[in-house]
Amino acid sequence: ETGVTQSPTHLIKTRGQQVTLRCSSQSGHNTVSWYQQALGQGPQFIFQYYREEENGRGNFPPRFSGLQFPNYSSELNVNALELDDSALYLCASSLEAAVLNTEAFFGQGTRLTVV
Amino acid sequence: RKEVEQDPGPFNVPEGATVAFNCTYSNSASQSFFWYRQDCRKEPKLLMSVYSSGNEDGRFTAQLNRASQYISLLIRDSKLSDSATYLCVVYTGTASKLTFGTGTRLQVTL
Repeated sequence: ETGVTQSPTHLIKTRGQQVTLRCSSQSGHNTVSWYQQALGQGPQFIFQYYREEENGRGNFPPRFSGLQFPNYSSELNVNALELDDSALYLCASSLEAAVLNTEAFFGQGTRLTVV
Repeated sequence: RKEVEQDPGPFNVPEGATVAFNCTYSNSASQSFFWYRQDCRKEPKLLMSVYSSGNEDGRFTAQLNRASQYISLLIRDSKLSDSATYLCVVYTGTASKLTFGTGTRLQVTL
């Protein structure tokens, strides 16, 4: 167990709806990154939060947004859901923003299905 | 061109075989390199970091060639439990993100 927990584990939403996914980082970790993994693909970086500030963003539209709280837990919000948003959403926590020498620990993911 | 490219496989090998996976990356400024393992419908887990001098962890050996922008993973004496997808991962420092390949699927059989 990595100590990174995500909720919910599974979710079904309708196109056009909004969704919030949650992540509790490992104790002592101040950095949370979110990834989207479509079937048969590697995880794609959405964004990272470091000490409650966005610290980098991948090639995702603004309808993907996030938050990090003072306890370093995090939320990923997706508005106006599209069918292509169906994927496994992974949260990773690490000790510091620069991953250079620190391991990123992944949660078990939230599997989102948009119908 | 994808930032990190891997042969998706699948690689089907008998138990006890040696298997090698390769990966290329496009950003010459990449700083850190990793192999992650992902079991079916599970989260990725760090298998090993990859260093320029090459490194070994039991049956696993990783190599990095910065000049060719090429990373490899060698698994010796394959076990059934090695069956998984192996993800090549690169960190560039830009946007503090990890960039993943699509993964190479390994199936070890009796």
